[in-house]
Amino acid sequence: EDQVTQSPEALRLQEGESSSLNCSYTVSGLRGLFWYRQDPGKGPEFLFTLYSAGEEKEKERLKATLTKKESFLHITAPKPEDSATYLCAVQGSNNNDMRFGAGTRLTVKP
Amino acid sequence: GAVVSQHPSRVICKSGTSVKIECRSLDFQATTMFWYRQFPKQSLMLMATSNEGSKATYEQGVEKDKFLINHASLTLSTLTVTSAHPEDSSFYICSARTLAVQETQYFGPGTRLLVL
Repeated sequence: EDQVTQSPEALRLQEGESSSLNCSYTVSGLRGLFWYRQDPGKGPEFLFTLYSAGEEKEKERLKATLTKKESFLHITAPKPEDSATYLCAVQGSNNNDMRFGAGTRLTVKP
Repeated sequence: GAVVSQHPSRVICKSGTSVKIECRSLDFQATTMFWYRQFPKQSLMLMATSNEGSKATYEQGVEKDKFLINHASLTLSTLTVTSAHPEDSSFYICSARTLAVQETQYFGPGTRLLVL
């Protein structure tokens, strides 16, 4: 069964303090690993899709990387507006849907 | 692009009544739509998957007679919570997938349901 574990559960950073969020996964035939951002009371906002080990994608202060066992979401010089819950999900060849991790709740203090 | 809307955004109803939630893909055709439920500070739990023109596939433990899903077109899916009870109060989120962007799901803004 596909599984996704995210760490840490919560992360508090000072503005400008770079860090990384981890997403460890087990999946049968990876079809895609997804990162989403979710603000309280709203639906997840799509950030990245990664398809194969070694792939990297960037968007503003965010950079996602992928290996065969895990993905990292690197946040460079975060700002308070980056505060949100970041969700990781995988889709395997045996499923028609994604499996989500529990998320990392990021708080960036000014 | 890839915008998904939900209506209503918030609904309060009395116990025993039915509530319909609409999910629309505004600028693309969705081959598949998904319905999720999310409790406070928890991740998304998949309820069902629906393909246009066919019956929805429900996850284990989700009552198909209670959560009716209709995927009438490539841009519209509806979730009806029948005979709602307070324990059905939750945040319901839909997503839509287009093969044009290699299986990425785009999510709606969610619907907050409160059953009194």
